[in-house]
Amino acid sequence: ETGVTQSPTHLIKTRGQQVTLRCSSQSGHNTVSWYQQALGQGPQFIFQYYREEENGRGNFPPRFSGLQFPNYSSELNVNALELDDSALYLCASGSYNSPLHFGNGTRLTVT
Amino acid sequence: KNEVEQSPQNLTAQEGEFITINCSYSVGISALHWLQQHPGGGIVSLFMLSSGKKKHGRLIATINIQEKHSSLHITASHPRDSAVYICAASEALFGNEKLTFGTGTRLTIIP
Repeated sequence: ETGVTQSPTHLIKTRGQQVTLRCSSQSGHNTVSWYQQALGQGPQFIFQYYREEENGRGNFPPRFSGLQFPNYSSELNVNALELDDSALYLCASGSYNSPLHFGNGTRLTVT
Repeated sequence: KNEVEQSPQNLTAQEGEFITINCSYSVGISALHWLQQHPGGGIVSLFMLSSGKKKHGRLIATINIQEKHSSLHITASHPRDSAVYICAASEALFGNEKLTFGTGTRLTIIP
């Protein structure tokens, strides 16, 4: 039990639609990061939030956006979905110099 | 951009064997993480280390900063150790940010 909860667990969307994925972190974890994991690949860093501000971003287009809230929850929003966005989306939370705690992920399928 | 490589990609062993998984990275890092991923996607953090060696139960992780190399060892392997093991490197200040992941090693332990 990592204390990090993601919802929904599975989601099917159509190309062009928008999606919001949610993550609830442990109390006291002031960083949250999101990763995309395509089938058979290692996760890829999307972006990270620290105290509600984005403080790092990977090689993902602006249609991937996020929010972090004061209650340690966060969101990943993806606009104009493409077929290649089909993947497992993982959030991970932590605090200074501590191991990360990962959620079980949301599996997104875009048709 | 940091490149993280793991070997082997797949490993099958008999129960009780000593297991070694290797990870190399291309640029200096603040921390190296070893993670375990089970079918279904959930990721568990095993180790976060920046120097030397750490041990937890039957698992041992080592890192050689000069050679940019880390290893994960499993002693007295058991079928429940079957999973994908991923190493991930962080160049960021806090050591748990903006991870670059390897593609994983799929370990299967046969009873």
